[in-house]
Amino acid sequence: QSALTQPASVSGSPGQSITISCTGTTSDIGASNYVAWYQQLPAQAPKLLIFDVNDRPSGVSNRFSGSKSGNTASLTISGLQAEDEADYFCSSYTSNSPLYVFGSGTKVTVL
Amino acid sequence: QVQLQESGPGLVKPSETLSLTCTVSDGSMSSWSYYWGWLRQPPGKGLEWIGSMYYTGSTYYNPSLKSRVTVSLDTSRNQCSLKLTSVTAADTAIYYCARRLINSKYFDLWGQGALVTVSS
Repeated sequence: QSALTQPASVSGSPGQSITISCTGTTSDIGASNYVAWYQQLPAQAPKLLIFDVNDRPSGVSNRFSGSKSGNTASLTISGLQAEDEADYFCSSYTSNSPLYVFGSGTKVTVL
Repeated sequence: QVQLQESGPGLVKPSETLSLTCTVSDGSMSSWSYYWGWLRQPPGKGLEWIGSMYYTGSTYYNPSLKSRVTVSLDTSRNQCSLKLTSVTAADTAIYYCARRLINSKYFDLWGQGALVTVSS
């Protein structure tokens, strides 16, 4: 069982916006400004999408945005595109062991 | 573009030692800028951080695995290694090598992953 809870799947039509939730506890997401999101396309290495809750690495589309409220972090994909079909998983740094906790991942399907 | 590539046996027998190597395509493993580490994902489950190492030799391990794990760096070969002893079927997973910028709390570069199955 993963430390962070994500929905198993989320779907949307091209052009729509979707939001993926990531729920933790007061010991991880609730206590941390270090939430990250990763995208994993089929048969590819995970790719950093969002770090520190809502920052994007250079080269990542601004269609991806992150936020946090209480013990729940969210990833929003705006203007959904076919190329966004992938698995997405969240992560939080925690000052307690084991330092990094992850969600089990959400499969995004573009209808 | 920098790449990480995991390699090692895909099948390990129960009670034996799992050994994997991660090769970095440039010389950044000896840089003060990065930590190097391992994570894994069992089939159908979420990711689990295993441990990380800095080029100075400092290591950080997941307490749940600490007694069985060793992460090491060979900067002359641009390689990071993972050893996990006394494996069981529960250690069956895709193992990822990943890089973390110093002073950051995220992994900015990952390898493709290596599937390791523990079975007799």
